[in-house]
Amino acid sequence: AQKVTQAQTEISVVEKEDVTLDCVYETRDTTYYLFWYKQPPSGELVFLIRRNSFDEQNEISGRYSWNFQKSTSSFNFTITASQVVDSAVYFCALSEANSGYALNFGKGTSLLVTP
Amino acid sequence: GAGVSQSPRYKVAKRGQDVALRCDPISGHVSLFWYQQALGQGPEFLTYFQNEAQLDKSGLPSDRFFAERPEGSVSTLKIQRTQQEDSAVYLCASSPTYTGANVLTFGAGSRLTVL
Repeated sequence: AQKVTQAQTEISVVEKEDVTLDCVYETRDTTYYLFWYKQPPSGELVFLIRRNSFDEQNEISGRYSWNFQKSTSSFNFTITASQVVDSAVYFCALSEANSGYALNFGKGTSLLVTP
Repeated sequence: GAGVSQSPRYKVAKRGQDVALRCDPISGHVSLFWYQQALGQGPEFLTYFQNEAQLDKSGLPSDRFFAERPEGSVSTLKIQRTQQEDSAVYLCASSPTYTGANVLTFGAGSRLTVL
């Protein structure tokens, strides 16, 4: 069963628009970690953020913000005032304490920001 | 090194050939992971090393896939008698410790095309 679902396959926005990437996860563990990674055309996955299951505080880092809601098992990612350089594939991932270390990735959302 | 280095970046193999993909993790990183990323999909876990010990190989798709990390640093993923379905990007990642909270640093990947 897919543990991480990213329902949006592709999103296209015009520069300066805000965009939210959705992530829904499934786990029976009480201790787990959620991640977002960015994969630009060069192919290298770049770490953006990690949250643990005990910390539902939302986080903002510059134009990026993350909304973690355990009640809906969601960990959504918002980019405000998008820029062309934000164009990439974004992956949400889950690491569960009982399965230790292996990251379970969603299928990714391809974001295209046009001028 | 400064990052995770993978070679070759691109490999074309004829069906039935053996291939070897190399990963140089960040110096001192204990944990090393291999992932397989098919076109348009998220990375899928293949195998995990803690130092030289291969602790999990549950994600290897068949016995044609073999990975090693004999001295606890460089790792090689070998695929014997390649098939067309093996075509994918193979990503290597490393981290300094072993916990579910690990932030993995990924290499740029080795893109394998089997004709």
